[in-house]
Amino acid sequence: SQQGEEDPQALSIQEGENATMNCSYKTSINNLQWYRQNSGRGLVHLILIRSNEREKHSGRLRVTLDTSKKSSSLLITASRAADTASYFCATDSGAGSYQLTFGKGTKLSVIP
Amino acid sequence: EAGVTQFPSHSVIEKGQTVTLRCDPISGHDNLYWYRRVMGKEIKFLLHFVKESKQDESGMPNNRFLAERTGGTYSTLKVQPAELEDSGVYFCASSHNGRTQYFGPGTRLLVL
Repeated sequence: SQQGEEDPQALSIQEGENATMNCSYKTSINNLQWYRQNSGRGLVHLILIRSNEREKHSGRLRVTLDTSKKSSSLLITASRAADTASYFCATDSGAGSYQLTFGKGTKLSVIP
Repeated sequence: EAGVTQFPSHSVIEKGQTVTLRCDPISGHDNLYWYRRVMGKEIKFLLHFVKESKQDESGMPNNRFLAERTGGTYSTLKVQPAELEDSGVYFCASSHNGRTQYFGPGTRLLVL
């Protein structure tokens, strides 16, 4: 079983719509982060939410965390064609290393 | 501020050869991480340096992989001898506080 599984695996929406991606994890976490990867490029850090936080905003991004359900969601409002990318959640347990455990990601396509 | 850089961006080698990947972290970041993504799988942690010391190398797949960070600045990851299953994208990340990790663009390795 995998820590950090995103849902859905692929999402296609029209420009201007909102996109919601979900992430579930299995073990206790210290932090949960969301990253974006444009095709063929590196990972871009979007937002970090700590285990004692429930919601966080950054521009058009809204992240929620429900530790009782071991799940997180990433909402992108008013999507743009430039938001087309793969989105990954990553968790760490904070046990000295902060090594990240990634899911397989959600591939978002925003149609102009 | 320059981001994390990796060299080379692509490498194509034959099975049995040696390849050395390089990562230059963001200046001042003591924490340096290596990850890799093999075809169709999740991004997986390989190891974590704090300055020049290996903090956690639990993700290193076998002794064909050798990582170094002499002087606590840039790091190298050597694969010797390379096998077909080593093909994938190798990412480096750095962090000041261990939590938020900033990733490089990755090195795409193809072993033929």
